[in-house]
Amino acid sequence: ETGVTQTPRHLVMGMTNKKSLKCEQHLGHNAMYWYKQSAKKPLELMFVYNFKEQTENNSVPSRFSPECPNSSHLFLHLHTLQPEDSALYLCASSHQTGLGGNIQYFGAGTRLSVL
Amino acid sequence: GQQVMQIPQYQHVQEGEDFTTYCNSSTTLSNIQWYKQRPGGHPVFLIQLVKSGEVKKQKRLTFQFGEAKKNSSLHITATQTTDVGTYFCAGQEDDKIIFGKGTRLHILP
Repeated sequence: ETGVTQTPRHLVMGMTNKKSLKCEQHLGHNAMYWYKQSAKKPLELMFVYNFKEQTENNSVPSRFSPECPNSSHLFLHLHTLQPEDSALYLCASSHQTGLGGNIQYFGAGTRLSVL
Repeated sequence: GQQVMQIPQYQHVQEGEDFTTYCNSSTTLSNIQWYKQRPGGHPVFLIQLVKSGEVKKQKRLTFQFGEAKKNSSLHITATQTTDVGTYFCAGQEDDKIIFGKGTRLHILP
């Protein structure tokens, strides 16, 4: 148990569905991250939130929409996904994004399959 | 932009042999972190190196940070089956952290 909980662990969705991934951290951290892990790009940073403010969006398509209501919770809203979006989506948290505080604590991930 | 290259991509070793993975950055790093991901698992933090030329050891694992703070290595002595997994380096420059593509280690019994 890393202190970062992701739900659901597995998700199968059609291209017209709307679903959300949830991440919760119990570590008192201020920064949260979404990563996409696939065979082609093993750890691809998608979004970064620091103190609830989005500080990074790595040119992620708009069919992925993040939401960070507070420092402990992070969501990834999914709609009209493509089959190539099938991957393991990992959430991580850290004390902060700056020097000395950005050691990443990962959740177990959500394995997403888009049909 | 910043790039972090990691080699080799895959490595097969006999149990008991040594293993090394290398990480190279296109820019000078503030620090470098190493993570291990077991098959079916998630990345787990191993260590962080901050100082130029720093060397740290964790049992059979030795981590080095280059003098120019642009490269790093992870060396495992006498590998065991429990060492199986993918090892990622992650370099930090300012507030950005960039992961290498990882080295997948297979242990042959």
